Amino acid sequence: AQSVTQPDIHITVSEGASLELRCNYSYGATPYLFWYVQSPGQGLQLLLKYFSGDTLVQGIKGFEAEFKRSQSSFNLRKPSVHWSDAAEYFCAVALPGSSNTGKLIFGQGTTLQVKP
Amino acid sequence: DTEVTQTPKHLVMGMTNKKSLKCEQHMGHRAMYWYKQKAKKPPELMFVYSYEKLSINESVPSRFSPECPNSSLLNLHLHALQPEDSALYLCASSQGYGSTDTQYFGPGTRLTVL
Repeated sequence: AQSVTQPDIHITVSEGASLELRCNYSYGATPYLFWYVQSPGQGLQLLLKYFSGDTLVQGIKGFEAEFKRSQSSFNLRKPSVHWSDAAEYFCAVALPGSSNTGKLIFGQGTTLQVKP
Repeated sequence: DTEVTQTPKHLVMGMTNKKSLKCEQHMGHRAMYWYKQKAKKPPELMFVYSYEKLSINESVPSRFSPECPNSSLLNLHLHALQPEDSALYLCASSQGYGSTDTQYFGPGTRLTVL
């Protein structure tokens, strides 16, 4: 079945530690890939996106993500987490093709907790 | 400026009330979206407007009625809602209506239906 999967519902890391949030997709064609962050009670902010080209993508707030076609993955990373990174993180895909325009398909989200 | 604004921030309404949510963007974007987000869940697409015309209605009940008066404004009219409609309603906009057009989200309206 076509899907976007974020295997980790909840992750806790210590401040200053590195972070990796996983995202896997299952579609016939490689979709366009996005990571959004949502602070409590707020809207979603785009961290980064991947359409094509260099498979390592740099985003805002020190985040990066790596697209791995062989693993159908687009994992989000940050070398050193700050307390302000505590939030909900959503991986999302958009499917190529005119019949799919306007639709973002979201994973279930990963809640990041940061310990002092 | 990549700002999408939404009013009100919070709304409490009874099941017999009529209310409206408002969304505004001044980025010249030609596509606008309404999403519904329940607690601890991802956003669910409700409606998409492209060039002020309704392009997608994700089988949303008729008690939700979208309106796009102009390219900068998007409204969501609410009538006879149910308690299960309580959620965060997010508006988004994008430059165009393609799969590679990044959607920018507003802060949302927290709706409570009593």
